[in-house]
Amino acid sequence: DGGITQSPKYLFRKEGQNVTLSCEQNLNHDAMYWYRQDPGQGLRLIYYSQIVNDFQKGDIAEGYSVSREKKESFPLTVTSAQKNPTAFYLCVTQQGLNQPQHFGDGTRLSIL
Amino acid sequence: GQQLNQSPQSMFIQEGEDVSMNCTSSSIFNTWLWYKQEPGEGPVLLIALYKAGELTSNGRLTAQFGITRKDSFLNISASIPSDVGIYFCAGQRTSGSRLTFGEGTQLTVNP
Repeated sequence: DGGITQSPKYLFRKEGQNVTLSCEQNLNHDAMYWYRQDPGQGLRLIYYSQIVNDFQKGDIAEGYSVSREKKESFPLTVTSAQKNPTAFYLCVTQQGLNQPQHFGDGTRLSIL
Repeated sequence: GQQLNQSPQSMFIQEGEDVSMNCTSSSIFNTWLWYKQEPGEGPVLLIALYKAGELTSNGRLTAQFGITRKDSFLNISASIPSDVGIYFCAGQRTSGSRLTFGEGTQLTVNP
């Protein structure tokens, strides 16, 4: 979707390393979400934020951390505590009440 | 977290055929959404449904919000090769709440 930029498109992580996935939006959307997608599976919610300086854990938050210091940005850090980080990560925004969610193009994270 | 029951898991069809897929849940959703995902890309919104019984079309795609609010259907008529991809349903219980996704239907269209 236009207006949501995820970077990088591909990312490689070494054992024991933390990596940060970027998500930036210029849509002025309040809510932002991070999902993880594994091959052949649906999307699972990692973290979400409905307003600046506030965020909540999703269904699989262990091994991940986020921050929401600005409305436009919701970076996701995959820590060394996440033992199976290889997946496709999707950042999503939502304008507000009764509005559909819009997806970025994703970041594919792999282990070296 | 809860996943919606989406079926079928995969479909292999000939070009020109019609396609139907559906999602069901044991609990009520107030919004149903259908997305299409192509390889290496994020899902793209196809149709959004906000009222029970609502039937909405987007070109060759038609989706319905079930009367019970526990299910939704997506139909694709006269399929073409570019319809290939994974189709996801998603439900939302209340305004502003997070989405619950189905596990996807992988569609293959043979020319």
